[in-house]
Amino acid sequence: DIVMTQSPDSLAVSLGERATINCKSSQSVLYSSNNKNYLAWYQQKPGQPPKLLIYWASTRESGVPDRFSGSGSGTDFTLTITSLQAEDVAIYYCQQYYSTRITFGQGTRLEIK
Amino acid sequence: EVLLSESGGGLVQPGGSLRLSCAASGFNFNDFALSWVRQAPGKGLEWVSAISYIRDSTFYADSVKGRFTISRDNSRNTLYLQMNSLRADDTAVYYCAKSGTGGNPHYSDYWGQGTLVTVSS
Repeated sequence: DIVMTQSPDSLAVSLGERATINCKSSQSVLYSSNNKNYLAWYQQKPGQPPKLLIYWASTRESGVPDRFSGSGSGTDFTLTITSLQAEDVAIYYCQQYYSTRITFGQGTRLEIK
Repeated sequence: EVLLSESGGGLVQPGGSLRLSCAASGFNFNDFALSWVRQAPGKGLEWVSAISYIRDSTFYADSVKGRFTISRDNSRNTLYLQMNSLRADDTAVYYCAKSGTGGNPHYSDYWGQGTLVTVSS
C-alpha cells in the first residue's frame, strides 16, 4: 500500500497568518497518462464527517474558500491556508487515490495560537 | 441535494456480525463508485472498502479482507457492508462516501454522518 505521511502532526498559527501542511507519499501518485496527481485534502471538525477541500492535488472543491490551496506533484504535496480564520480549526487529512487501495495520512491538527 | 445516510451500527460481541447500509439520494447512484471509511475513537481516517460501478469490482483494506463484503443494490440506491468475525479493533464510526468522479474509487465529495459500530463483550 502507498503510505501517506503528513507533517507536522499538529500546528498552531495566529489568526490571519499562513498555515502550511505537508504530505509525502511513499511512491508517486502522478499518473503519467493524464498528468494528474491522485491526491486530495479533507478537513474534519469534531463530530462531523470529513469535508473535501482539494482534489487532483490543486483543484479546489466548489464552495471552498480561496484561502485554501493545494500544490505539489509526484510524492510531495502541500495544503496552504492563507489568512487563517477561527473556523479553520480542524484536523486535515491528505488522501491518495492513485491506488484503488486508498490510503490517508495520519492527520494534522490545526489550532489557533 | 446529495444525501448519504448510514444505518445498522450498534453493539456486537467479538466474533459477531453486522450489516451496514447506506441509503443514497440526489445523484445517479449507478454512475459512481462508493466507499466505506472508518474512524476509531480519537483516531484518524482509515479506508475500509470500495466498489466501482463497472462490473461491481470490489476493493478491500488488508485489515478487513476476508471478513467484510461490500455490495450495492442499484435498484434501491443502497450500499452495504457485511461485517463478519468482528474484532475489538473494528470499533469505529463507519462512513459511507461517494466518489467525486468516474466509476472507480477516487476522492470522495460527499460523506454520510456515519454509524457507530462497537465490538465488545
